[in-house]
Amino acid sequence: GAGVSQSPSNKVTEKGKDVELRCDPISGHTALYWYRQRLGQGLEFLIYFQGNSAPDKSGLPSDRFSAERTGESVSTLTIQRTQQEDSAVYLCASSLGDVGNQPQHFGDGTRLSIL
Amino acid sequence: SQQGEEDPQALSIQEGENATMNCSYKTSINNLQWYRQNSGRGLVHLILIRSNEREKHSGRLRVTLDTSKKSSSLLITASRAADTASYFCATPRAGNNRKLIWGLGTSLAVNP
Repeated sequence: GAGVSQSPSNKVTEKGKDVELRCDPISGHTALYWYRQRLGQGLEFLIYFQGNSAPDKSGLPSDRFSAERTGESVSTLTIQRTQQEDSAVYLCASSLGDVGNQPQHFGDGTRLSIL
Repeated sequence: SQQGEEDPQALSIQEGENATMNCSYKTSINNLQWYRQNSGRGLVHLILIRSNEREKHSGRLRVTLDTSKKSSSLLITASRAADTASYFCATPRAGNNRKLIWGLGTSLAVNP
């Protein structure tokens, strides 16, 4: 498809389990972002990838969170030993370049529920 | 602290009326962006207005930017039920064009 694709759309898991979330950005978009959005809240920056540069991980809330991206393609966000406070919608966005000049294009997110 | 802060937090209007949402920010910016989020969906980019622009239009949307007051407004004219959504403003972090700082959004309900 032409847009950003995220999978799964919903994930329910037990506390303590690991989860992996996937994002397929728009082809040709060099920048990729992960955000967390808690119910009724704005977006919380998690991590940023730009081309082959080192990712900006400054928003990751703990070492249980990690993300990878291969080149300018798919990215995965992994949460280890999930906690109930990890319950949120995880949104992925891509853009042609830095957001100083380019808008972001979002997927519909993965709704993560930790029981 | 918040860079972009929208007000009001919630707005309820009747179809056909105009809706105005405001966004204030704290530091110098290169641009300011408005996004819409329908319930259960991702965000959709509406308008990007650069710091040297004062007003921008896109269909029924009109965005203004006042850099002296560090504020922007989004006006939706002749609203429709389909405009019901949350609206967010976002600005690049000062000195860093790689990250956007997001407000908490305005929740707009357009009643038929």
